[in-house]
Amino acid sequence: DAKTTQPNSMESNEEEPVHLPCNHSTISGTDYIHWYRQLPSQGPEYVIHGLTSNVNNRMASLAIAEDRKSSTLILHRATLRDAAVYYCILRDEETSGSRLTFGEGTQLTVNP
Amino acid sequence: DSGVTQTPKHLITATGQRVTLRCSPRSGDLSVYWYQQSLDQGLQFLIQYYNGEERAKGNILERFSAQQFPDLHSELNLSSLELGDSALYFCASSVEDRERETQYFGPGTRLLVL
Repeated sequence: DAKTTQPNSMESNEEEPVHLPCNHSTISGTDYIHWYRQLPSQGPEYVIHGLTSNVNNRMASLAIAEDRKSSTLILHRATLRDAAVYYCILRDEETSGSRLTFGEGTQLTVNP
Repeated sequence: DSGVTQTPKHLITATGQRVTLRCSPRSGDLSVYWYQQSLDQGLQFLIQYYNGEERAKGNILERFSAQQFPDLHSELNLSSLELGDSALYFCASSVEDRERETQYFGPGTRLLVL
């Protein structure tokens, strides 16, 4: 499976934007980029995914580099509830099926 | 609330024992996944069922087994339990079995083996 690299931790202030980076230099053309997050004492939850183009939804935006070797999850206005571990995951049905392969993720701390 | 339910929430048992964890997927979801989260190994995929059939296997020990029933609920059976099996066990479900499908996770079962 193609690997992702994320910072172990990041800090942000409430109501400010947060940019969470993910490097995936060995990404293949068929890999989808997915982001999940895990709030304290909860199961992971889906945030967003994309293939080549930037994506927006009600939770976040996903900016994908033109060469697809990196991506950034953008939370436009962080709230205390956004404090969680954020996982950047590559998914390719041909190599890994539909399972999710979690790395260590980025622990996001949001300061009031 | 993801719509995925797991029972029990907590389970305390002794080494050598056997336990069964239960998962009810979201209504209409055919695919069920089991994951284990421990402090030293992180979140790891164990096994997947799709419409009653085993679809994929991950790092699942031979002492562990699972099945998916005709009503689509799933059970994960853990036997000959060891201290190292203490972990959070999550079940997730998705409508189909494709890499673009969102997986919806349950709240987990926390297993403590003493």
